[in-house]
Amino acid sequence: EDQVTQSPEALRLQEGESSSLNCSYTVSGLRGLFWYRQDPGKGPEFLFTLYSAGEEKEKERLKATLTKKESFLHITAPKPEDSATYLCAVQAWGSNTGKLIFGQGTTLQVKP
Amino acid sequence: NAGVTQTPKFQVLKTGQSMTLQCAQDMNHEYMSWYRQDPGMGLRLIHYSVGAGITDQGEVPNGYNVSRSTTEDFPLRLLSAAPSQTSVYFCASSYSEGTETQYFGPGTRLLVL
Repeated sequence: EDQVTQSPEALRLQEGESSSLNCSYTVSGLRGLFWYRQDPGKGPEFLFTLYSAGEEKEKERLKATLTKKESFLHITAPKPEDSATYLCAVQAWGSNTGKLIFGQGTTLQVKP
Repeated sequence: NAGVTQTPKFQVLKTGQSMTLQCAQDMNHEYMSWYRQDPGMGLRLIHYSVGAGITDQGEVPNGYNVSRSTTEDFPLRLLSAAPSQTSVYFCASSYSEGTETQYFGPGTRLLVL
């Protein structure tokens, strides 16, 4: 069964304190791994897509990496505005290749 | 472009009532889908469509119907609401099925009493 697990569930950081969020996945054949940001009361906002092990993507203070079993979202010198829930999702090869299988998310709080 | 829009933002229903959640996109996307988000469960796929006139079931389709008469619109119908359908519903769209970026709407918060 295709599955995505994110850890930790919640993370509190001081402004400027770098850390990483983990997304472990089990999928029959990975078509793509996605990171989304979700603010309270809003819909998920796309951040990155990763397709193959070894791939890395960066955007401002965020950097996503991918291995054959997991992905990391590295947050460098976070600011309070980075506070949000970060969602990881995978797409698998199969009959419905558009389906996103989501993890439960990591809620990040950055204190000034 | 307005992107993906959803109405209403919030709705309260009584058990047994029916309603339609509206979803529209103006990006000429072929692929559209509906997810529900529940605490501790993550987002789960309800129904999806790969183009006008074509729909299929996702992971949790029971109690929901969909249709896709135009490329732009993908309404989700609850025929007889149940408390278990209390959730936040998100519509998403992408250019095509597959690894294209999927854009999500702002969500509809539904409370069934």
